[in-house]
Amino acid sequence: DIQMTQSPSSLSASVGDRVTITCRASQNINTYLTWYQQTPGRAPNLLIYAASTLQGGVPSRFRGSGSGTEFTLTISSLQPEDFSTYFCQQSYSVPWTFGQGTKVEIK
Amino acid sequence: QLQLVESGGGLVKPGGSLTLSCAASGFTFSDFYINWFRQAPGKGLEWVSYINGVGSVIYYADSVKGRFTTSRDNAKNSLFLQMNSLRAEDTAVYFCARDRGSTNCPDCFSGVFDSWGQGTMVTVSS
Repeated sequence: DIQMTQSPSSLSASVGDRVTITCRASQNINTYLTWYQQTPGRAPNLLIYAASTLQGGVPSRFRGSGSGTEFTLTISSLQPEDFSTYFCQQSYSVPWTFGQGTKVEIK
Repeated sequence: QLQLVESGGGLVKPGGSLTLSCAASGFTFSDFYINWFRQAPGKGLEWVSYINGVGSVIYYADSVKGRFTTSRDNAKNSLFLQMNSLRAEDTAVYFCARDRGSTNCPDCFSGVFDSWGQGTMVTVSS
C-alpha cells in the first residue's frame, strides 16, 4: 500500500495568512494526488485533483502543486470558512490511501 | 442536485451484523463507481470498498475482506454494505462517495471522489 504523510498535523493561522500544507507519498504517484477539506461532522469536500486541478466551485485561493512524491496545498489568503481539516489522498493505485490530515485552526 | 444519503448505522455487539444503505439522486447512478469509506472517531479516512456501475467489479480493503459485502440495486439507485463479524475496530462513521470517473472511459474509475454522503455512525461495543 502507498503511505501518505502530511505535515504539519496542525497549524494555527489568522485570517488573511498564507498557509502551506505538505503531503508526501511513499512512492512515485505522478500527479495522482487529491486534496479534500473536511469540517467537523461533515463529509469531505473535493478541492483539487490531479495535483493541481481545481474542482468546480472551489475558490481560486486554493492551489495545489507537486508531482512524484511531494505535493503541496496552498491557501493564499485564509478565510474564516477555511478553518477545517485537510486530507490528501493518492489515486494512483488501490487501496486508495489518505494522509492523516492537517487541522487548520484560528490563531 | 447530486446527493448521497447513508442510513442503517447503529450500535451492534462484537460478532454482530449490520447493513448500511446509500441512496443516490441527481445523477445516473448506474454510470458511476461508488465507494465506501470510513472514519474512526478523531481519525483519518480509510477506504473500505468499491463497486462498478453494473455491480460486476467489487474490491475490498484487506481489513474487511471476507466480512463485508458491497452490492447495488441500480433500479432503486441504492448501494449497500453488508457487514458481518463486526469488531470494535470497525467502529466509525461510514461514508459512500461517488468516483468522478473518466470522460474517456465509461466504465473506469478515477480514484477521485466528487460527492460524499453525510455519513452514518456504526458503533461496535458490548
